[in-house]
Amino acid sequence: LAKTTQPISMDSYEGQEVNITCSHNNIATNDYITWYQQFPSQGPRFIIQGYKTKVTNEVASLFIPADRKSSTLSLPRVSLSDTAVYYCLVGDDTDKLIFGTGTRLQVFP
Amino acid sequence: GAVVSQHPSWVICKSGTSVKIECRSLDFQATTMFWYRQFPKQSLMLMATSNEGSKATYEQGVEKDKFLINHASLTLSTLTVTSAHPEDSSFYICSARSGDRYEQYFGPGTRLTVT
Repeated sequence: LAKTTQPISMDSYEGQEVNITCSHNNIATNDYITWYQQFPSQGPRFIIQGYKTKVTNEVASLFIPADRKSSTLSLPRVSLSDTAVYYCLVGDDTDKLIFGTGTRLQVFP
Repeated sequence: GAVVSQHPSWVICKSGTSVKIECRSLDFQATTMFWYRQFPKQSLMLMATSNEGSKATYEQGVEKDKFLINHASLTLSTLTVTSAHPEDSSFYICSARSGDRYEQYFGPGTRLTVT
């Protein structure tokens, strides 16, 4: 499994765009990149998944450069309810998910 | 769709007793289920992987005789914490994956407190 590295924490204000970058230098050809969100005392919630280039859904965008050694989760116009821990994981469909430290995002009014 | 439930959502038990936690996939068949535990302010730690009808595969350092996992059907897996001690107090989370999907769906978690 590719190891991921993320910033431990980030602060933002309501209405701003937040970009969280994840490094995965040893990503394998078959690996996908998946981001989860976790609120205190809840299970993680799937946000977005991608393999290359850009993926967008109703809550976020995921940017993946050509070398796939990193990825950036972009949250547009965050609100207080986006305060959570965000995890970046890589793996293929046979892998178990190994969680890293995650990024603790704090959104201020 | 893709809902995973856990029961109970929280439980308090006395030291030395056993506690069973259920994980159910409500609207899909889960060929693989995973159990994690999470201590306060820490990340999720994978405990074991279970495939329906097979013995669970435990991660290094996880005692299989203490954390009994049963995955008897495609919609139910159970984790039994045997002879619980206060250090077993934690947040236990399961996830489930169907055979044709990469994505894992997580349950809401179970808060175990051992007194």
